[in-house]
Formats: sequence, C-alpha cells, structure tokens
Amino acid sequence: SQTIHQWPATLVQPVGSPLSLECTVEGTSNPNLYWYRQAAGRGLQLLFYSVGIGQISSEVPQNLSASRPQDRQFILSSKKLLLSDSGFYLCAWSLTGGRDEQFFGPGTRLTVL
Amino acid sequence: QQPVQSPQAVILREGEDAVINCSSSKALYSVHWYRQKHGEAPVFLMILLKGGEQKGHDKISASFNEKKQQSSLYLTASQLSYSGTYFCGTERDGTSYGKLTFGQGTILTVHP
Repeated sequence: SQTIHQWPATLVQPVGSPLSLECTVEGTSNPNLYWYRQAAGRGLQLLFYSVGIGQISSEVPQNLSASRPQDRQFILSSKKLLLSDSGFYLCAWSLTGGRDEQFFGPGTRLTVL
Repeated sequence: QQPVQSPQAVILREGEDAVINCSSSKALYSVHWYRQKHGEAPVFLMILLKGGEQKGHDKISASFNEKKQQSSLYLTASQLSYSGTYFCGTERDGTSYGKLTFGQGTILTVHP
C-alpha cells in the first residue's frame, strides 16, 4: 500500500532563517506531487505541483521554492522565512491529476517568530 | 478562482441530514470533496467529473450540476464521526495535473 511521509511534524523558526520541508511517498511510481499551505482556519492553497523529476510548477509567487530530486521525494524550501510563511504545510500525491484523489501527508506545522 | 462553499457552518444532532454546496463561476472539469478534522490532514471523500463519472466512498453521496457549475455533498443519518471541516476542490481544465482550487470550507458539528 502507499504511504506518504512528511517531516518535521512541527517547526518553530525565526524570521529570516532558511527552511527545508521534506515529503516522501512509498508504494507508487511517478506520482503527481503537490505542496499546499493552510493558514489557521482557512482553506488549502496550492503552492507547487510536480508531474515528474525536476518538473516543478509554481502557483503562487512568493519566497518559497520546491524541488523534486527523486521520483518520490518533494522538498519545500525557503532562503529567508517571513512571518506570513507560518501555517500548516501539506504534501499530497495522486496517480494522475484531476481524475484521481489526492492523498495527503500528516503535515508540518510551521511557526515563524 | 476560489469556489464558494455554503453554508459556512452547520450544527446537527446525530441522525440528522445536511447538504453542503460548492459553486464556481467558471466551467469545471472535476470537483473533489475532502473532510479534515482539527490538526489532521484532509481525507478524500468523493470525486465528480464532467460527464457524470463519480468515485468515492459508498456511504457518501454527491452531485455535480454541470450547467450551474455547482456540486452538493449529501450527508445523511449523520454520525459523530462526520464532524469536521469539509472542503471542495475544483479543477477547471482537465489537463491531468490535478491543480485544485479549494473553497474556504464548511464546518460541520454533530452533537449526540
């Protein structure tokens, strides 16, 4: 069966510090991968998606970036965090696109102070 | 463009029914429904595709009116476990990238 992992589960970082969140998927090959951010009490905002190794599409201009160095690994990064980067970051995968459900990881709760 | 969900919140007693709506001003290819409990990841409930195809859990029912670009999620004989925030996510172009735009959510609370 397929599983999706995210780490760390929680993170408290000072403004201006770098960020690296990792997501890995097991049990499937060539998945579509997604990064979402959810502000407190709000909906999910798609940040990045990837349909293959090295293929990253950005949905929202910001100081975040994403990379997919391996088929089942998706990394979210920032060189300098802003207060507005605080939120619940969710990684998800799907077999294809809109015809298939997305499976979400457990999430990383990021607080920028 | 973000879909609009209604109502924003619903309070039920166990066994009661509820309908949650999701509307878009643009033509849609698919509508996805997820439920999220506090502090947890969203869990898939249902996909409705342009043309009538659906896939999801047996105990969940939903509809997609392509003329109105509106989807409704029907929760019948509610249980305590149904409590949570329900999100619809929409995809417009069917390019198979799964770029979903989510609504603001509907908070459902079921009391004993």
